[in-house]
Amino acid sequence: DQQVKQNSPSLSVQEGRISILNCDYTNSMFDYFLWYKKYPAEGPTFLISISSIKDKNEDGRFTVFLNKSAKHLSLHIVPSQPGDSAVYFCAASINTNAGKSTFGDGTTLTVKP
Amino acid sequence: DAGITQSPRHKVTETGTPVTLRCHQTENHRYMYWYRQDPGHGLRLIHYSYGVKDTDKGEVSDGYSVSRSKTEDFLLTLESATSSQTSVYFCAISRSSGSIGEQYFGPGTRLTVT
Repeated sequence: DQQVKQNSPSLSVQEGRISILNCDYTNSMFDYFLWYKKYPAEGPTFLISISSIKDKNEDGRFTVFLNKSAKHLSLHIVPSQPGDSAVYFCAASINTNAGKSTFGDGTTLTVKP
Repeated sequence: DAGITQSPRHKVTETGTPVTLRCHQTENHRYMYWYRQDPGHGLRLIHYSYGVKDTDKGEVSDGYSVSRSKTEDFLLTLESATSSQTSVYFCAISRSSGSIGEQYFGPGTRLTVT
């Protein structure tokens, strides 16, 4: 039973356009959500997070939206740049749970020049 | 740079041999984690630690053991490696003093079991 799902294995967008990556979760106990970016042969790097008490968090070109009723979150990248091409992982965690995170399978984003 | 190193970075070993992977942090953080990543899959938690000598299992702990005798080192041991344990292994820390927050990952160890 996969608790965090990223249903799109890949996404391709044109440079300058918006990239929207989606993530669904099933466990209503999750109260903290994160996005990580991973380049080949490197470890994942933290990108942005959101607490369940918020529905939006913005950091520069990156915005995460949370819809608790739908158990859905999305990452918007505007404008997309070729350097954004990477695998993006959605993760969810429960407060008081030793910081453990459950990860989705990832979405490979390709931004074409 | 989160000050996390992993060793070795690459290893090829034979089925049935023991293997130990090391994660070292320089920042004295309480929480440390071991994940594995396989093609088409996200990161799956193997074991984690919330302090010296304090460890617990993750979702895919069978066949793995861990030890943490010092704050800075978290060791992952495959007692008898199997081909299904061929994977990329990532160590992570949490800089949060509480129980929630983002994690910072090491560069990974690519393990091949033949």
